Amino acid sequence: QVQLQESGPGLVKPSETLSLTCTVSGGSITNNYWSWIRQPPGKGLEWIGYVSYSGSTNYNPSLKSRATISVETSKNHFSLNLSSVTAADTAVYYCARNSGNYGLMLYYFDYWGQGALLTVSS
Amino acid sequence: EIVITQSPATLSVSPGERATLSCRASQGVSSNLAWYQRKPGQAPRLLIYGASTRATGIPARFSGSGSGTEFTLTISSLQSEDFAVYYCQQYNKWPPLFGQGTKLEIK
Repeated sequence: QVQLQESGPGLVKPSETLSLTCTVSGGSITNNYWSWIRQPPGKGLEWIGYVSYSGSTNYNPSLKSRATISVETSKNHFSLNLSSVTAADTAVYYCARNSGNYGLMLYYFDYWGQGALLTVSS
Repeated sequence: EIVITQSPATLSVSPGERATLSCRASQGVSSNLAWYQRKPGQAPRLLIYGASTRATGIPARFSGSGSGTEFTLTISSLQSEDFAVYYCQQYNKWPPLFGQGTKLEIK
């Protein structure tokens, strides 16, 4: 059974860069695509972007190019950096595995982590 | 841009009864719709994809229907472990979009 676990600092100051890592266990990170999804308090889920096992990426334009997702196959993990954070970036951040048709960019998410709360505050 | 609307926001149902959750898309999304269950402190779980295909290990009491703009998740006989928040997600058009969720609570 594939399991994902997010890890991160919990608290980030405004204007700094948020960094999170998702470690995949019970399966290989190769031959799959991996996403970050977040949920601000009281709001809905928002897809941030994905990285493939080969390092190709795709992002939600709503993040205005602040997001960078990378993969480290030797460690079976992938990471999210979100720059210039504000209070609006306070959210529970989930990592997930994509499933579906990658070529047509039609994907849903078949395995998720439990989520990590990131708070942006000085 | 597609808008995904779930209704109701909160649904109160007694154990053993049927629950019907709705998901509406502002534009047609064919059958490219998924449903998820989320419980506090747990990883969200994929229930349904392709509007009606149950994911691996999902009990038969969960069923999905619909296509185009109107979708339904039905839980035929509610068990105690089914009380949670449910989300739908369209993946017919990029970027993938989620609904706001329906909280299913014990009546």
